[in-house]
This record gives sequence, structure tokens and C-alpha cells, in this order.
Amino acid sequence: GQQLNQSPQSMFIQEGEDVSMNCTSSSIFNTWLWYKQDPGEGPVLLIALYKAGELTSNGRLTAQFGITRKDSFLNISASIPSDVGIYFCAGQSIFISGTYKYIFGTGTRLKVLA
Amino acid sequence: DTGVSQDPRHKITKRGQNVTFRCDPISEHNRLYWYRQTLGQGPEFLTYFQNEAQLEKSRLLSDRFSAERPKGSFSTLEIQRTEQGDSAMYLCASSFRSLGERQNEKLFFGSGTQLSVL
Repeated sequence: GQQLNQSPQSMFIQEGEDVSMNCTSSSIFNTWLWYKQDPGEGPVLLIALYKAGELTSNGRLTAQFGITRKDSFLNISASIPSDVGIYFCAGQSIFISGTYKYIFGTGTRLKVLA
Repeated sequence: DTGVSQDPRHKITKRGQNVTFRCDPISEHNRLYWYRQTLGQGPEFLTYFQNEAQLEKSRLLSDRFSAERPKGSFSTLEIQRTEQGDSAMYLCASSFRSLGERQNEKLFFGSGTQLSVL
């Protein structure tokens, strides 16, 4: 199935460091969602973005809707051990006729070293 | 405030058997999605419902798969004659989407059903 490109695929960081990841697409999207998933659980919604250029924060998390509508970015500041997990982006496009499905990225696996 | 509920959490079955999963969405949500996730991958879209109408199906959804949402509330996903390649986490998500151009739709997931086909 179709998936969006996420970068990096995985990262090991020290506790207290900032983290940046991004998601890119060849298609234009009107909505971007960011999720965190723990092993054996479903994805948990972190941030939703609805407008090009929008910058939204949720605690230490900040996400941006890219100006081109083809990408989105997630930053985590001052990482802590419980930030470990897999982060997914998901995009929805009204420009693809007849569909409202969300397409997910390949995931960024984050490991935080105490 | 109850979230999306999926049952069972785990299912182990033998190849060739039929399995059925249930999803109870957040009560006021009119949209319900099914996704499949294999190890190391992001969720892949299978199908979605607007109320009781099934509006889109992925090519991943072979003729052995069928999904229903008979009264626009809970949904079931059935897999007939399971194959080892069906082993995956099956995720259900729900959202509310009203009519109109501008939508701020958020997708909320359940904990998933982990299927293992032996």
C-alpha cells in the first residue's frame, strides 16, 4: 500500500536533546496528523495541522504544516526517556478525487538514552 | 469518555480458519476506518465507513476480507480462510466529519487486534 516517506528512519539521542523528524509526499495534503505508537498499542494522536504554514505545539512537541503542502515536520524539545517509541505522520488529501483516507508514513523510531 | 474499543486484543488461529474482529468507535463519531499494520511498517488503509455506508476499499482488501457496519455504530472485520500473510495488527479508528468544505478531522485509534496465523 501507499506510504509517505519519513526521515530519519530511526534515531538514538541523549536525554535532554532536541529531536527533529519530517514527512514528505509527492501529493498535496490538506491535513497532517502526527502520532506516537508504543509496542503492542494503537497510535495515539499528538498534533493535528489543517493549514499550510501552520505551527502548532503540544507541550514539548511542535509540528509544522509545510508551505508546499507536501511535507510536515515534528520537533521534540528536551527529550525524556518516555519519548521512546515510533512516531508516524499521516496525511489526508481532498485533492485526490473521491477519497478521504489518511495515508501513513513509514515511521521514525526514537530511542532516548538516559 | 470511552475511546475506540477493539476486541479481541489478540487472536491466534490456524491457517484456513475464519476470524472476526469487532470495533466500537467513539459514540458520536460517524466515520470508522480499518487499517492493517505489519511489523516495522506504518498503518495501511483497508476500508472506511461513513455511518453504515462503506465508501472506499483498498486493493489490499481481497475477497477473503469483508467489513460491515450494520447500524452505523460498531463494525466487524471478517477474514475467511486465513493465510499466514494475514498475520498483522488490525487497527480501527474513528472520527467525526460533518458536511462542508472545511474539515478538521482527527482520527482516533483503538489498541488493535494482533492476529497470528499459524
